[in-house]
Amino acid sequence: AQSVTQLDSQVPVFEEAPVELRCNYSSSVSVYLFWYVQYPNQGLQLLLKYLSGSTLVESINGFEAEFNKSQTSFHLRKPSVHISDTAEYFCAVSENTGGFKTIFGAGTRLFVKA
Amino acid sequence: NAGVTQTPKFQVLKTGQSMTLQCAQDMNHNSMYWYRQDPGMGLRLIYYSASEGTTDKGEVPNGYNVSRLNKREFSLRLESAAPSQTSVYFCASRLTGDGNTIYFGEGSWLTVV
Repeated sequence: AQSVTQLDSQVPVFEEAPVELRCNYSSSVSVYLFWYVQYPNQGLQLLLKYLSGSTLVESINGFEAEFNKSQTSFHLRKPSVHISDTAEYFCAVSENTGGFKTIFGAGTRLFVKA
Repeated sequence: NAGVTQTPKFQVLKTGQSMTLQCAQDMNHNSMYWYRQDPGMGLRLIYYSASEGTTDKGEVPNGYNVSRLNKREFSLRLESAAPSQTSVYFCASRLTGDGNTIYFGEGSWLTVV
């Protein structure tokens, strides 16, 4: 069975500072990895995903994540955050087989301060 | 573009009452999922359906039943609601071959008193 651990429940950071949201996973089978973002009172939206190939993946709004197989990690980073990045971020892992069961981490609340 | 549609959006139930959360997707997706979201616990998978006619338990299936009525619809039923089932419920769907991206509905806020 797979599992996902997000190491920080809350991350406060000042505007224009860099940020890293940490995610570790475990699985006995091949997986796909995702980061989703949730703004208040909304559903989750895909931010970026790793399927195969280059281990560094990027989103359209400046976030990036790097798949590290040896450390079973998929940390999310942004070099300079904006107030509008304030949201909850979820790491997810999906089995690359069968029903593609997808499990989410507990979430990290990013709070960007002016 | 409707995407994934859930109903109702808000519901208050008394302990012991039953209800069904409805979910429909218009994207011709194969797999559908029900999650619950609770503070500090993220999203936990209740049940999922890999394809029409199949359903499987997720992380927290106790107290729930599901029906994959057809390819479009996947309902979640609470037979005898308990206060511990107060939560936000999200339906989601996924198309095989679409890089496993899951698309979410807007959520259903359920309170059991």
